[in-house]
Amino acid sequence: AQSVTQPDIHITVSEGASLELRCNYSYGATPYLFWYVQSPGQGLQLLLKYLSGDTLVQGIKGFEAEFKRSQSSFNLRKPSVHWSDAAEYFCAVGPLHQTGANNLFFGTGTRLTVIP
Amino acid sequence: DAGVIQSPRHEVTEMGQEVTLRCKPISGHNSLFWYRQTMMRGLELLIYFNNNVPIDDSGMPEDRFSAKMPNASFSTLKIQPSEPRDSAVYFCASSLGGGGEQYFGPGTRLTVT
Repeated sequence: AQSVTQPDIHITVSEGASLELRCNYSYGATPYLFWYVQSPGQGLQLLLKYLSGDTLVQGIKGFEAEFKRSQSSFNLRKPSVHWSDAAEYFCAVGPLHQTGANNLFFGTGTRLTVIP
Repeated sequence: DAGVIQSPRHEVTEMGQEVTLRCKPISGHNSLFWYRQTMMRGLELLIYFNNNVPIDDSGMPEDRFSAKMPNASFSTLKIQPSEPRDSAVYFCASSLGGGGEQYFGPGTRLTVT
């Protein structure tokens, strides 16, 4: 069965520090992988995605993520966090469909707090 | 690009009343998803459509919930009768199938008193 685990419910970092948010997945094949961010009172916004190819993907707002097949992980990183990065972050995994719906399975989210 | 449009943004209603949430997906997208988000249960997929056809409604909590997609540009999620435990933020998302990422609307915050 498909599942996504985000082991850290809440992370606090200082502004300017580096960040890594963990995501592990369970899936029967190589999945599509996504990171979304949700600011308070807002919908989810796509940060980046991995479909195939280069395992290090770049996203918006200076974020990147690395797909490690051997570890079933897709961790999100940012070298220097800004106060505006405080939000909830969701990892998601989707099936490899050539056509049709792409149903995503979401993790439970990691809340990021940034302190000055 | 208008993105996914949801209405209303906020809804406050009394227990027992009917509630209808509306969604307009991004033009050209062929998949539409309804989610519910609460503190206790996180983000839950309620139902999704592909080419206007419901594919999986196993997440719909009970018969009080129903969803329709009469055409490619409109979907509704109806709760009848509503209960306080239905209070949540309801999101609509759309995607272009085949690995396309989902684009979320701003959500409807529902409060049932």
